[in-house]
Amino acid sequence: KNEVEQSPQNLTAQEGEFITINCSYSVGISALHWLQQHPGGGIVSLFMLSSGKKKHGRLIATINIQEKHSSLHITASHPRDSAVYICAVPNTDKLIFGTGTRLQVFP
Amino acid sequence: KAGVTQTPRYLIKTRGQQVTLSCSPISGHRSVSWYQQTPGQGLQFLFEYFSETQRNKGNFPGRFSGRQFSNSRSEMNVSTLELGDSALYLCASSSNRGSTDTQYFGPGTRLTVL
Repeated sequence: KNEVEQSPQNLTAQEGEFITINCSYSVGISALHWLQQHPGGGIVSLFMLSSGKKKHGRLIATINIQEKHSSLHITASHPRDSAVYICAVPNTDKLIFGTGTRLQVFP
Repeated sequence: KAGVTQTPRYLIKTRGQQVTLSCSPISGHRSVSWYQQTPGQGLQFLFEYFSETQRNKGNFPGRFSGRQFSNSRSEMNVSTLELGDSALYLCASSSNRGSTDTQYFGPGTRLTVL
């Protein structure tokens, strides 16, 4: 079993839909990262959170430490949100990455 | 502030050769982490440097090495290249500890080994 698992692996949506991407981990953590990778490879850090909820624009990230689970929500999705979303957790100071969720949003 | 830069952006090498990749962090950042991304294994941690010292190392063979200079710029070196080393190599900088600080990623170096 991978230490960090994401679901779903692939996701397609119509513009305007509410999107949820899930991340479960098996190690004890101090923080969890959500990253966005666009075609071409560039990675942007979206959130780093250790408890509760964070919001930035249309993006919301939540984490439940007891259940070892985090979710990334996108409200009012847009074609420019099409990307791979990756969660990552630190384990002995090394980041362990999920396999990513490929999101495509169609107009 | 200028972002993280990596050079070169693309590189083609043959098996057995060695390669050096460079990463310039955001000004003021002291931590530089390196990652390998392949279609089969996804993103994997290579190593982290902080104030010229390797602070952490991933599960990669000794052919993969790195260093950090006094201006925080970092290089990674891969010797005796193998076909499986073909990947996107990303570096990321942060102000303190890479695993628990927000990381700022460079555009990556795409290495192809023939």
